[in-house]
Amino acid sequence: AQTVTQSQPEMSVQEAETVTLSCTYDTSESNYYLFWYKQPPSRQMILVIRQEAYKQQNATENRFSVNFQKAAKSFSLKISDSQLGDTAMYFCAFMKRLDSSYKLIFGSGTRLLVRP
Amino acid sequence: DTGVSQDPRHKITKRGQNVTFRCDPISEHNRLYWYRQTLGQGPEFLTYFQNEAQLEKSRLLSDRFSAERPKGSFSTLEIQRTEQGDSAMYLCASSPPVGEGQETQYFGPGTRLLVL
Repeated sequence: AQTVTQSQPEMSVQEAETVTLSCTYDTSESNYYLFWYKQPPSRQMILVIRQEAYKQQNATENRFSVNFQKAAKSFSLKISDSQLGDTAMYFCAFMKRLDSSYKLIFGSGTRLLVRP
Repeated sequence: DTGVSQDPRHKITKRGQNVTFRCDPISEHNRLYWYRQTLGQGPEFLTYFQNEAQLEKSRLLSDRFSAERPKGSFSTLEIQRTEQGDSAMYLCASSPPVGEGQETQYFGPGTRLLVL
């Protein structure tokens, strides 16, 4: 069974600075996807960034980038130039490729506070 | 595209009562998921529909839970004889057909259930 671990329950960063959120996962699969989802307070979850395991290049989306270390089973999220609107719960998630259901397996989340 | 919608947004019920939640996915999304999220945790997979067929159910989905998706459009999740442990946020997500960004799930705002 796959598991996803986020070891940082809470983090804080000053506006305009950079912060990195950690995620590790355990799987015997070689073909899978990894995701970071953002859940703002009282708002719905939205996709931040996605990584396909067979791609060596780290995914980037504007101020968001990942450091994907497949051998180490590590998938960290870097947020550059943090903005107040980045305050949210961040969930790392795993999806087995070609799974029968494409279900997501989530970590327990990291609460990020961006300070003005 | 109005996004995934869920109704009601909040539900308070007494232990032993039945409750039903509704999810309307993004149009043309043939795949639909239900997740449960308890306080301080990441969402956990409950069940998955492809069109009208329920293809996978988690062991979390006890016999008090039933989900349907008639005609492959909206879905309902019913909990019978509610227990206090059922208190959680129930999230619905949908994703496009296979081959069209299939791995990305779009989440609704959730239904927060409180069982007294």
